[in-house]
Amino acid sequence: KNEVEQSPQNLTAQEGEFITINCSYSVGISALHWLQQHPGGGIVSLFMLSSGKKKHGRLIATINIQEKHSSLHITASHPRDSAVYICAAPEGGSQGNLIFGKGTKLSVKP
Amino acid sequence: NAGVTQTPKFQVLKTGQSMTLQCAQDMNHNSMYWYRQDPGMGLRLIYYSASEGTTDKGEVPNGYNVSRLNKREFSLRLESAAPSQTSVYFCASSAGQGLGYTFGSGTRLTVV
Repeated sequence: KNEVEQSPQNLTAQEGEFITINCSYSVGISALHWLQQHPGGGIVSLFMLSSGKKKHGRLIATINIQEKHSSLHITASHPRDSAVYICAAPEGGSQGNLIFGKGTKLSVKP
Repeated sequence: NAGVTQTPKFQVLKTGQSMTLQCAQDMNHNSMYWYRQDPGMGLRLIYYSASEGTTDKGEVPNGYNVSRLNKREFSLRLESAAPSQTSVYFCASSAGQGLGYTFGSGTRLTVV
């Protein structure tokens, strides 16, 4: 069964800083998911990636399949980026339900 | 475009009471899921339905039952609520296991 670890648990940044959140997993996977949980509680899917890099606005997700590691980057961070960021991977590696990390709580100060 | 609709948003129950959480999706997704989220822990899968007509236990199924009423609807029932079931519950759907997920807005349940 896959194990998903995130770091750091908590992150405080000043507006404009470059943010990196890390995710590692134990079993080779077909795709890794990044999600965002807003302060109000809602969860939205940000990325699903199986190789290389994906970008959406100021958010960039990268994955290194060999090292079983993914990173989520936020460029020019803004207070509205404050949220919990969660990574998730299939429990069986290539298939199965998602196993979720505990999340990284990001707070961006103006 | 509603996505996943989950009701109610908040609920307080007394120990021993029963209730059903409702979830409906309008994206024609095959798979639906119920999770609970507790402080300091990741989302944990309670039950899932890979396709209409099937349901399976997840990581923490004890004390819960589910019904996949049709392709759109997947309900979660607590027969006899316990304080340990105080949590935030999320319903989600996906086109298939491991594919992109859409989440409901969550139900904050308190059992006293």
